[in-house]
Amino acid sequence: QSVLTQPPSASGTPGQRVTISCSGSSSNIGSNYVYWYQQLPGTAPKLLIYRNNQRPSGVPDRFSGSKSGTSASLAISGLRSEDEADYYCASWDDSLSGWVFGGGTKLTVL
Amino acid sequence: EVQLVESGGGLVQPGGSLRLSCAASGFIFSSYWMSWVRQAPGKGLEWVANIKQDGSEKYYVDSVKGRFTISRDNGKNSLYMQMNSLRAEDTAVYYCCGGDGMDVWGRGTTVTVSS
Repeated sequence: QSVLTQPPSASGTPGQRVTISCSGSSSNIGSNYVYWYQQLPGTAPKLLIYRNNQRPSGVPDRFSGSKSGTSASLAISGLRSEDEADYYCASWDDSLSGWVFGGGTKLTVL
Repeated sequence: EVQLVESGGGLVQPGGSLRLSCAASGFIFSSYWMSWVRQAPGKGLEWVANIKQDGSEKYYVDSVKGRFTISRDNGKNSLYMQMNSLRAEDTAVYYCCGGDGMDVWGRGTTVTVSS
């Protein structure tokens, strides 16, 4: 069982807005930054959001991140077929002295 | 172009050893934390270990403590993972990651532990 909790699946139709939640605790999300990664089928993960809500260059502004207390969310607006992928949240955990990941959310574009 | 290229994976028997390597290019390797993250077949991501810019701090997930050792050579822009006493549950694709927030990822190298 993962330290960070994500829903195993999410879905939406093209053009819709979907959100993926990530729940943690005071030792991780509550006191450290949250990062989000996108893993397209058969490829390596790619950084999507860093430091809670910052987008690396090249990541469309359709992707946004937010954090409140011990939870975080990834929002994808204007959903596209190429967004179909696995999404993972991550944060440093002060109690474990290590990075912790969510179990991943498989996004399906209907 | 920022690039991380892993090597050293393969098939090994339980109890055996492997040394993974990661060659970095396109960025100032010595300025960044580096990490290893693994993904077992059909499973999610699991952080394994990371190392500070000068190698003075290293952290490991509990399941590999005492068996795996992370190291780096800033002169060669390279990251390493010495893996001893390998178990079946260590079977995974191992990714090399660079940056404070695991900003950049390699394509991974596959480690299979099986008799």
